[in-house]
Amino acid sequence: SQQGEEDPQALSIQEGENATMNCSYKTSINNLQWYRQNSGRGLVHLILIRSNEREKHSGRLRVTLDTSKKSSSLLITASRAADTASYFCATDRYFGNEKLTFGTGTRLTIIP
Amino acid sequence: DAMVIQNPRYQVTQFGKPVTLSCSQTLNHNVMYWYQQKSSQAPKLLFHYYDKDFNNEADTPDNFQSRRPNTSFCFLDIRSPGLGDAAMYLCATSSPSGTGVGNQPQHFGDGTRLSIL
Repeated sequence: SQQGEEDPQALSIQEGENATMNCSYKTSINNLQWYRQNSGRGLVHLILIRSNEREKHSGRLRVTLDTSKKSSSLLITASRAADTASYFCATDRYFGNEKLTFGTGTRLTIIP
Repeated sequence: DAMVIQNPRYQVTQFGKPVTLSCSQTLNHNVMYWYQQKSSQAPKLLFHYYDKDFNNEADTPDNFQSRRPNTSFCFLDIRSPGLGDAAMYLCATSSPSGTGVGNQPQHFGDGTRLSIL
C-alpha cells in the first residue's frame, strides 16, 4: 500500500501561530493533494502539487514536495479558529489514474 | 452552485437489513467514487465509476454494491449491514482533464453517517 503517513496525528496551537503538517508516502507519485475535513463534513480540496513542482502557495497555505524523500508538508500561516479541522494528504500513483490514496490525517485544533 | 449531494445525512438501520445510500451531482463529472471513513481514519475507497465502467477495490466486501443509472446519480447498496459497517460514507466526483483524471481534485459530498442497531 502506498497510503501516506501524516505527522503529527494531532496538533494544537494558539490562534495566529503557524501550523505545519507533514506527509510521507511509499511509492512514486504523479501528484499530491491536500484536503481539509471539518468535523462531520466531507473533504474539501485545498491544493494540488505536481511531482515536478517543489513548492506551491495558495493564500495562507504553502505546500512543499520532496520526491527524493517521498514527503510533503503543508504550512498554514497566521492560523484562525476556522482552520480547526483534519487535514489529509492524498496521492495518485501514475498519470491518468483517477484513484487517490489518502494519508492518515492530522487533527489540527486552533485555540482562540 | 454545482455540488455533490448525499442523502440522507444520517441513516439508521438494523443489523442485516439492506440499506441504500444515494449521491447526486450537478458537476457533470465522469467519475464518481464511494469511500468509507471510520472515526479518526482516512477515507477508504470502496469502488468508483468512470462513466459506466465499474471499478471495485480488491478488498471491498461483497456485501457492498453500487449502481450508477446515469451521470448524475450513484447509489451504494449494503446488502446485509453488520456492526462493522457503521461509518461515514462519502461520495466524490472528478473530471478528466487534458493531463489525466489523476491530476484533478475530487469534490466531496458531506457524507451519510450510517448507524447499525
